[in-house]
Amino acid sequence: EAGVVQSPRYKIIEKKQPVAFWCNPISGHNTLYWYRQNLGQGPELLIRYENEEAVDDSQLPKDRFSAERLKGVDSTLKIQPAELGDSAVYLCASSFGITMAGTFGSGTRLTVV
Amino acid sequence: AQTVTQSQPEMSVQEAETVTLSCTYDTSENNYYLFWYKQPPSRQMILVIRQEAYKQQNATENRFSVNFQKAAKSFSLKISDSQLGDTAMYFCAMGSGYALNFGKGTSLLVTP
Repeated sequence: EAGVVQSPRYKIIEKKQPVAFWCNPISGHNTLYWYRQNLGQGPELLIRYENEEAVDDSQLPKDRFSAERLKGVDSTLKIQPAELGDSAVYLCASSFGITMAGTFGSGTRLTVV
Repeated sequence: AQTVTQSQPEMSVQEAETVTLSCTYDTSENNYYLFWYKQPPSRQMILVIRQEAYKQQNATENRFSVNFQKAAKSFSLKISDSQLGDTAMYFCAMGSGYALNFGKGTSLLVTP
């Protein structure tokens, strides 16, 4: 069984530029999470999807961040415009139902310069 | 609010020895779950062990076991017979809703 696939693995952009991350969850997993992990910290939830519906986006900075999950499968997370403080690892996880302990992908390391 | 505290930023253990990683948490919920995740340099978070708060028996997974002290809100991870492949960041996490709250992590180094 393929795991959670994320791309790109690394991304370096200049501040004020847009950036997008892509996540392909495990087949059949209806719950999808995006976490942000700052250097030296644990992951923090940005948004949670149940199928195609964003059911918890309270921690998503909506002025510059957006996310979508079309057809309840793949998801993209976008930042526009990026700021220096957005440098972090962005992790995607998925689960079947609400188990909290989803399966994580390997993340995208974003560096904003 | 839920908080998870890991007071040991770094730890080191020799191969084949036993090491214990500490974690304390705070919550007003009665029903919650506790987890330990391992994050190697590949960055993928790997679930090591989970504990349901309503269960008194401590969870065990092969060389990994926990000491869950509900009254003290403590949830430590014991790794027995440490192996070089155990070198990684270890995160304690708790959840009572639909997502996890993580601690800051403990960097574990297993030396030959």
